[in-house]
Amino acid sequence: QKEVEQNSGPLSVPEGAIASLNCTYSDRGSQSFFWYRQYSGKSPELIMFIYSNGDKEDGRFTAQLNKASQYVSLLIRDSQPSDSATYLCAVRVGNAGNMLTFGGGTRLMVKP
Amino acid sequence: SAVISQKPSRDICQRGTSLTIQCQVDSQVTMMFWYRQQPGQSLTLIATANQGSEATYESGFVIDKFPISRPNLTFSTLTVSNMSPEDSSIYLCSAPDPFSTDTQYFGPGTRLTVL
Repeated sequence: QKEVEQNSGPLSVPEGAIASLNCTYSDRGSQSFFWYRQYSGKSPELIMFIYSNGDKEDGRFTAQLNKASQYVSLLIRDSQPSDSATYLCAVRVGNAGNMLTFGGGTRLMVKP
Repeated sequence: SAVISQKPSRDICQRGTSLTIQCQVDSQVTMMFWYRQQPGQSLTLIATANQGSEATYESGFVIDKFPISRPNLTFSTLTVSNMSPEDSSIYLCSAPDPFSTDTQYFGPGTRLTVL
């Protein structure tokens, strides 16, 4: 079983809709959770991080964490074609220093 | 956030040769990280480079193949040695935010093609 799992997609949503990206993790000691966006041919860009159960909002992005279910998600409201990218979920286990474990990524396509 | 630069941005190399990738951070950081991203895949951590000590390699990666230097708090190099076509990949340097070490930022990457 992979430590961090994401549906590879592609997830296709129409412009203006809400895109919901999901991630599950296996290590209950995981303490920090990150979402990166990666455009084709570019390096990952940090867009959100969350540490506590519940929701964290930043502009059109909302990260949701449920540690009991070992589940973290990213919602993108009012999706734009420029949001089309691969979204990587990353998890840090408490005793792993600054090491991040990445999921395989979900490719999001926002259609005009 | 940390500003990270890498060079070269891309290279095409012959089998059996070696390539050294440089990574520069605009602030002093204790740890720097080297990742590999193979075509269509996610990121895999190669090693953690601490200033003043030997790099810590992840399972499947060895120092003879991927020697790392960390001469100061803002710079690191990764060498891909005795390259084969299987080493064709994007190599990414990463460093934490100096004010919030819990977050990591990535350099632009080095796209390596081995013929």
